[in-house]
Amino acid sequence: IAGITQAPTSQILAAGRRMTLRCTQDMRHNAMYWYRQDLGLGLRLIHYSNTAGTTGKGEVPDGYSVSRANTDDFPLTLASAVPSQTSVYFCASSPLEGLGYNEQFFGPGTRLTVL
Amino acid sequence: KQEVTQIPAALSVPEGENLVLNCSFTDSAIYNLQWFRQDPGKGLTSLLLIQSSQREQTSGRLNASLDKSSGRSTLYIAASQPGDSATYLCAVRLLGLTFGEGTQLTVNP
Repeated sequence: IAGITQAPTSQILAAGRRMTLRCTQDMRHNAMYWYRQDLGLGLRLIHYSNTAGTTGKGEVPDGYSVSRANTDDFPLTLASAVPSQTSVYFCASSPLEGLGYNEQFFGPGTRLTVL
Repeated sequence: KQEVTQIPAALSVPEGENLVLNCSFTDSAIYNLQWFRQDPGKGLTSLLLIQSSQREQTSGRLNASLDKSSGRSTLYIAASQPGDSATYLCAVRLLGLTFGEGTQLTVNP
């Protein structure tokens, strides 16, 4: 593995179902992020984690939850999916969040369709 | 609330032209500004990162400037090539990144 991987690549999901999007990085970055990208709205921050064991809410956190049990993994869970959560989801990471100076690197994305 | 605006929304130029993409943001309290490119259906590739204390960064044919006090950044692309065709995104950093909606660039052979 090199960089950030996301799984699945794409998914079609029935409304009301639970879904976890996976994100793994092998760069030992402290900070990780989840964004969603929607036409006309751009990319928006859902949740973030500055370090393992901590998480925070971004701009659009409702309907999503995250956990950060270790440095490498940052799963995003939709407890009960709704059609408005149809989007492309990107995971990102950056080193040394405490300094706030560092570049973010992005995964390839997960395309989610909720019917 | 931070807002990021990119102008123009779309740009079409002939190969070889020099071009400038513009980005403005409403809150100057940022750590840094990052420029990305995104190809259709793909993820984001980081192009340049400018720290809040810096004025300019260069990488190859790309040059990005930052005027934090006026809330502006520009991305200059020299001698454009068809392979530069993509959407260019500007993002400013506080906790996470706040993105503009991008400029869709087409470079025609």
